[in-house]
Amino acid sequence: NAGVTQTPKFQVLKTGQSMTLQCAQDMNHEYMSWYRQDPGMGLRLIHYSVGAGITDQGEVPNGYNVSRSTTEDFPLRLLSAAPSQTSVYFCASSSDRRYSGNTIYFGEGSWLTVV
Amino acid sequence: AQTVTQSQPEMSVQEAETVTLSCTYDTSESDYYLFWYKQPPSRQMILVIRQEAYKQQNATENRFSVNFQKAAKSFSLKISDSQLGDAAMYFCAYRSAEGGSEKLVFGKGTKLTVNP
Repeated sequence: NAGVTQTPKFQVLKTGQSMTLQCAQDMNHEYMSWYRQDPGMGLRLIHYSVGAGITDQGEVPNGYNVSRSTTEDFPLRLLSAAPSQTSVYFCASSSDRRYSGNTIYFGEGSWLTVV
Repeated sequence: AQTVTQSQPEMSVQEAETVTLSCTYDTSESDYYLFWYKQPPSRQMILVIRQEAYKQQNATENRFSVNFQKAAKSFSLKISDSQLGDAAMYFCAYRSAEGGSEKLVFGKGTKLTVNP
């Protein structure tokens, strides 16, 4: 029962470097999304996708890029890392609410530090 | 845009006692979903309970229940017979029922401490 898998779990980057956080789900979910969690805050939506080839911006999209070439994968790219992007990142997925009962599944989080 | 407010940054409860966590939200929509998520120190997001806005009956899951007041836009979580394992951050979240809207709006969270 893999569910939603995020890699890496921990990463330290230097300012200006780029990297990709990987997210994969094995539940054939249409919907996938990326959130970030900062101290004293709840999760905030970065980008989301309602299906392969379709993505859209969330609340805090600047500095991040996404694509969805397959149903299973939804990578998050940091184009030029900044200290303000130090955060915990969560990937989530869900199916059509008519069949899923509205359950949204979260990955275990990726801790990113930008120095 | 929808907002979710949790007015209690921290709460504490004695083991075996009952505690209520508050949540209010703002929306102009009539159909939506509300959730409580638990986040232990491991940072895993665990769904505790959910409520569909069109349902008048309050949701319950074992020791967890909600008091959903749609007119007041209030969605509190009651934890009965608190256990040490209930200690965690608790987040209230809102989700629109509009088609294609799968995003969650979160409150800032309430840190719950359970004292033995």
